[in-house]
Amino acid sequence: AQSVTQPDIHITVSEGASLELRCNYSYGATPYLFWYVQSPGQGLQLLLKYFSGDTLVQGIKGFEAEFKRSQSSFNLRKPSVHWSDAAEYFCAVGPSNDYKLSFGAGTTVTVRA
Amino acid sequence: DTGVSQDPRHKITKRGQNVTFRCDPISEHNRLYWYRQTLGQGPEFLTYFQNEAQLEKSRLLSDRFSAERPKGSFSTLEIQRTEQGDSAMYLCASSPRDSSNTGELFFGEGSRLTVL
Repeated sequence: AQSVTQPDIHITVSEGASLELRCNYSYGATPYLFWYVQSPGQGLQLLLKYFSGDTLVQGIKGFEAEFKRSQSSFNLRKPSVHWSDAAEYFCAVGPSNDYKLSFGAGTTVTVRA
Repeated sequence: DTGVSQDPRHKITKRGQNVTFRCDPISEHNRLYWYRQTLGQGPEFLTYFQNEAQLEKSRLLSDRFSAERPKGSFSTLEIQRTEQGDSAMYLCASSPRDSSNTGELFFGEGSRLTVL
């Protein structure tokens, strides 16, 4: 069975500081991994995805994530956060490049001035 | 290019009533998905259509739930005899099937159901 754990329910970060959100997954084969962001009143938006190849993937809005198979992790990072990055972030894993994704419970990011 | 559209955005109903949600996917997308998101949780897969065919249903989808996509375009999700435990955000997403599919699901803003 596939599953995702996001250990941090809530993170508060200062504007301009770096951000790292943790994601651990459980999946029997090579996973397809995703990070989505959900801003208040908005639909989920894809930030980035990993299927194969380079384990460091770049996404939109200055985000990047690193796939570490040995640690079953896919952590999301941003070097310098902006107030507009305040949102809820979801890590997801799936058996193929779409459908039936398993999402983590999400991490809420608060940005303080 | 319009995104995924869901209606209504918020529905308040009394326990035991039936409710129906509609989803209009992005026009060129032939795959359509329903997910449910409860407070403090991530989205959970409910069901999936390719064109008009419903290809998979989650065990979360009890016999009170039914989804249709009659002409392979819009979809409806009906919940009969609603229970308080059905209170959640119901999310619709779509994606293309062809080689342009990069694995991204395009989500609507959701339909929030409150059962009193």
